[in-house]
Amino acid sequence: EVQLVESGGGLVQPGGSLRLSCAASGFTFSSYWMIWVRQAPGKGLEWVANINQDGSEQYCVDSVKGRFTISRDNAKNSLYLQMNSLRAEDTAVYYCARASGSSKRLAKDWGQGTLVTVSS
Amino acid sequence: ESVLTQSPGTLSLSPGERATLSCRASQSVSSSYLAWYQQKPGQAPRLLIYSASSRATGIPDRFSGSGSGTDFTLTISRLESEDFAVYYCQQYDSSLPTFGQGTKVEIK
Repeated sequence: EVQLVESGGGLVQPGGSLRLSCAASGFTFSSYWMIWVRQAPGKGLEWVANINQDGSEQYCVDSVKGRFTISRDNAKNSLYLQMNSLRAEDTAVYYCARASGSSKRLAKDWGQGTLVTVSS
Repeated sequence: ESVLTQSPGTLSLSPGERATLSCRASQSVSSSYLAWYQQKPGQAPRLLIYSASSRATGIPDRFSGSGSGTDFTLTISRLESEDFAVYYCQQYDSSLPTFGQGTKVEIK
């Protein structure tokens, strides 16, 4: 069974940093693209970033470019999202997802999410 | 960036009724790279439909997807109690995937 467990969320002040982690199990982590999607409170879904199997390709939405970095450690079966220069509008539940085998941008399996709150 | 517009915003129906949800894209979605997700309160989204009309693993056949180009539809043939939720469409054609704003299916 595919399991994705996010951690690292919490309350942070504007301008601060946070690193989210996603522990993966139940599948061969190194064989799949991985994705981060976020959801602001009471709002819809927003694509954040994705990364290829060996970490050599990453793509992210314009609103987080230069501030967020997606990375992975295949030896630890873990996905990360380093978030710097956080803003109030980054407040959201952040979901880790496994891409499908046939499309790097289709989120097939999702974790339960971790809440990030940016506030003074 | 392809903008996805879902309609209606809210659909009020009774169990057993048919639900028809619409998703319209501002640009044509090639190869029908269009997906539908279901999200219940406090839960993560769940993939229902991909490639516009293919059901994901374990999804009941009362859920069906159709459409191409810029117009797509999710149909739930007979609503069951567990189907009342928010539904999102997503295009994954472009390098920047986008989601629609969601349609809430509520009990009438």
